[in-house]
Amino acid sequence: KAGVTQTPRYLIKTRGQQVTLSCSPISGHRSVSWYQQTPGQGLQFLFEYFSETQRNKGNFPGRFSGRQFSNSRSEMNVSTLELGDSALYLCASSLSGTVDSPLHFGNGTRLTVT
Amino acid sequence: KQEVTQIPAALSVPEGENLVLNCSFTDSAIYNLQWFRQDPGKGLTSLLLIQSSQREQTSGRLNASLDKSSGRSTLYIAASQPGDSATYLCAVNFGNEKLTFGTGTRLTIIP
Repeated sequence: KAGVTQTPRYLIKTRGQQVTLSCSPISGHRSVSWYQQTPGQGLQFLFEYFSETQRNKGNFPGRFSGRQFSNSRSEMNVSTLELGDSALYLCASSLSGTVDSPLHFGNGTRLTVT
Repeated sequence: KQEVTQIPAALSVPEGENLVLNCSFTDSAIYNLQWFRQDPGKGLTSLLLIQSSQREQTSGRLNASLDKSSGRSTLYIAASQPGDSATYLCAVNFGNEKLTFGTGTRLTIIP
C-alpha cells in the first residue's frame, strides 16, 4: 500500500509570491492534516480536513489555507510568502481522524523563501 | 495551556544498551498518545499509538507506557542498534483532531 505522497519535495520561492503544496493520502484514508515544522517552533498544527470539510484550524494567519477534494487528496496554499514561512510542511493522513487511528506522515515539502 | 515536554533534548548511548525516552504532558484529559521517529530530512514514522484506556503498547523491541494521572509516557527501546539513531517525538491528542508535539529527543547509538 502506498504511503502518503507529498509534492513537490523542494520549493524555492521569493517573498510575496504564493505557493501550493499537494498531498495524496493513503488509499482509504479520509482525514488529512497539515503541520509546519521549523527548528524554532517544532511541529505546529495547521489544519485538518475530513470529507472535504475543515474540522479544525491552528493558530496561523489567513495567508495559510487548504482544501480537500472528493478523492481525499488535499492542497495547502500560502499566499504573500514571508521569510518566516520557510519550513518543512508535513501532511498526514488517517482513516477517520486522530481519535481512533494513528497518523501516517509523508516525507514533507521543504519550502525556502528568499 | 496544553503542552508536551520531552527531556533530554539529546541522548547518546552505546550499542546494545536498553534505554528510556520520556514524555510529559500538562493535561490528563487525553484521547491518545503517539510516538514517532524522524530521520534527518524525512517525515515522521509512526511507532506506537496508545489509547487513553491503555497502559502500554509493544512492537518488537519497543514498548511505550502511559500514565495519565501523572501526565507521563515512556518509550523503552531494548538492545539498541545504530539504526535506532533518530529523533523521537511524542505527540498527544487532547482533542479537536490535532496532535500537540513535544520538541523531541535526538538519540544517537554509538557503535
